Amino acid sequence: EAGVTQFPSHSVIEKGQTVTLRCDPISGHDNLYWYRRVMGKEIKFLLHFVKESKQDESGMPNNRFLAERTGGTYSTLKVQPAELEDSGVYFCASSHGIGILFSTDTQYFGPGTRLTVL
Amino acid sequence: SQQGEEDPQALSIQEGENATMNCSYKTSINNLQWYRQNSGRGLVHLILIRSNEREKHSGRLRVTLDTSKKSSSLLITASRAADTASYFCATGFQGGSEKLVFGKGTKLTVNP
Repeated sequence: EAGVTQFPSHSVIEKGQTVTLRCDPISGHDNLYWYRRVMGKEIKFLLHFVKESKQDESGMPNNRFLAERTGGTYSTLKVQPAELEDSGVYFCASSHGIGILFSTDTQYFGPGTRLTVL
Repeated sequence: SQQGEEDPQALSIQEGENATMNCSYKTSINNLQWYRQNSGRGLVHLILIRSNEREKHSGRLRVTLDTSKKSSSLLITASRAADTASYFCATGFQGGSEKLVFGKGTKLTVNP
């Protein structure tokens, strides 16, 4: 079974440009999460999809970040315009369960996308 | 803050020795998960322990959870050089949100 995949693995852009990160969850996983780790800080939650719906977007830093999951399969995270402080590693994770009953389900992480904003 | 905090921040041991890492958190949890990250790579899930469990084993890994002290420990027995990595605890909380809250991690170095 393929794991969570992310593309690209590394992106270098200039301040003010736009970048789109993609995540393909494990097949059949309804839950998809985005996290990020900026330099020297903890890994922090950004948002959670259940299928195509945003369940929790409390971690999104500001309106320069837009996440979508059309069709409930893969997800994209767009940063527009990118700022220097957006540099870091963006992780995607997925889990199988749906709703509160399965809220203790294991989250499987992808390899991350390292974003560098110059 | 709800976040877990690992202790120690860094640990260096010899191959064959045991490594113990601790994690503390502040609020009631549904579960606690341990992850490993090798340098420059993604997070690998190691083990999940639910709030009603006290101990779990997986191969050379042993995780304990003490909800009264709001703490967990990860023990790696008979360590190998390949165990060198950063280890993170992540907590899932009661109340409906399924997000994980991560600590800063423990950097483990196992010397051959």
